[in-house]
Amino acid sequence: KAGVTQTPRYLIKTRGQQVTLSCSPISGHRSVSWYQQTPGQGLQFLFEYFSETQRNKGNFPGRFSGRQFSNSRSEMNVSTLELGDSALYLCASSFEGAVAFINEQFFGPGTRLTVL
Amino acid sequence: AQSVAQPEDQVNVAEGNPLTVKCTYSVSGNPYLFWYVQYPNRGLQFLLKYITGDNLVKGSYGFEAEFNKSQTSFHLKKPSALVSDSALYFCAVRDAPKGYSSASKIIFGSGTRLSIRP
Repeated sequence: KAGVTQTPRYLIKTRGQQVTLSCSPISGHRSVSWYQQTPGQGLQFLFEYFSETQRNKGNFPGRFSGRQFSNSRSEMNVSTLELGDSALYLCASSFEGAVAFINEQFFGPGTRLTVL
Repeated sequence: AQSVAQPEDQVNVAEGNPLTVKCTYSVSGNPYLFWYVQYPNRGLQFLLKYITGDNLVKGSYGFEAEFNKSQTSFHLKKPSALVSDSALYFCAVRDAPKGYSSASKIIFGSGTRLSIRP
């Protein structure tokens, strides 16, 4: 099975611009989560989608948004970029069977976003 | 509210010696606990998890972790460290759901950098 893929791998943007990141989960995985990783703040949860619905949300401003499509692929969007948005954005997918939430997440390689 | 703490930013161990990476947690219900490892310029990889049952959980690459409910800890251990174990390790916790339609966030610790010297 192919792993979680994220595109693009690297992005350079300027302040005020917006950006869209894409994530393709492992086939059969319906849960997709997004994380922001920075040296100072560690791994911060952004949001989680399941069957096209946002199931959970972290403490990020409304500039950060996401969506999930019927094929479980997910996108996240950041509008009005700020310097502090420079980070590694990680996507993770997991399989959910009869018992939810017990399965591990599989992470993609991440998208490195640099805001100038 | 859920929380997870990794009290050590860095752990240094000589190759061949046992290693321990510490993790403590706080949840309102029964915890689901995970350990992940991150190698440079890579995403996180799953190592092991505790859901229920035996307190000693065995995972990938010879790692194991011990769930201690009274101390609310889930420390990661390996009997004999390898230089290749050098990486960033994350502990994570998720609260057990109260129903299928409910959801809890997965919270990651701040990470512990493990350095194994030859």
